[in-house]
Amino acid sequence: GAVVSQHPSWVICKSGTSVKIECRSLDFQATTMFWYRQFPKQSLMLMATSNEGSKATYEQGVEKDKFLINHASLTLSTLTVTSAHPEDSSFYICSASGRTSEGTEAFFGQGTRLTVV
Amino acid sequence: GQNIDQPTEMTATEGAIVQINCTYQTSGFNGLFWYQQHAGEAPTFLSYNVLDGLEEKGRFSSFLSRSKGYSYLLLKELQMKDSASYLCAASDSNYQLIWGAGTKLIIKP
Repeated sequence: GAVVSQHPSWVICKSGTSVKIECRSLDFQATTMFWYRQFPKQSLMLMATSNEGSKATYEQGVEKDKFLINHASLTLSTLTVTSAHPEDSSFYICSASGRTSEGTEAFFGQGTRLTVV
Repeated sequence: GQNIDQPTEMTATEGAIVQINCTYQTSGFNGLFWYQQHAGEAPTFLSYNVLDGLEEKGRFSSFLSRSKGYSYLLLKELQMKDSASYLCAASDSNYQLIWGAGTKLIIKP
């Protein structure tokens, strides 16, 4: 299957700083990127959806000024957590969706575990 | 509204067969995905169905009935490593994924 690379795998940052998470589709064009957050023992929660070249669509309750999403190309999307606080500590996962030889598929990145101290 | 329903938890025995059901209601439909997620890890893609019928991939099979808004994931010859959460997600008319809460599958020896 196609590969989606998410970086970094884990990050620890101080409260008040910003953290950028990258999501790259390595061998297919990701027309749509999804960003999720998962708290322990809970399901994935969709934060936002972005189409290449367009502004991201945020889910209700997700602060767009705090979670900045950029999807400037068909292979790269970034999520920047601005002014991070301990309550932002979570597992962040990206998913890239696009057409492959198998049809329309969606693949997940490895996830980024963010710890804000 | 859009929603996905799947059982919260299921238990099965090693070597047996288990079927995890998923029903969905979406605005438009562009396919149904199944993912496996082990604790602390990102979900792994298992299958994608957009046409009615059964798709088989080794020990795992996925079935879709678009008229019934229903899918199931069938796991055969269960192994202990199959203990995980299984997520069902439907793609709507905007290709947005609508997620179920996941089914925790517990495999007992």
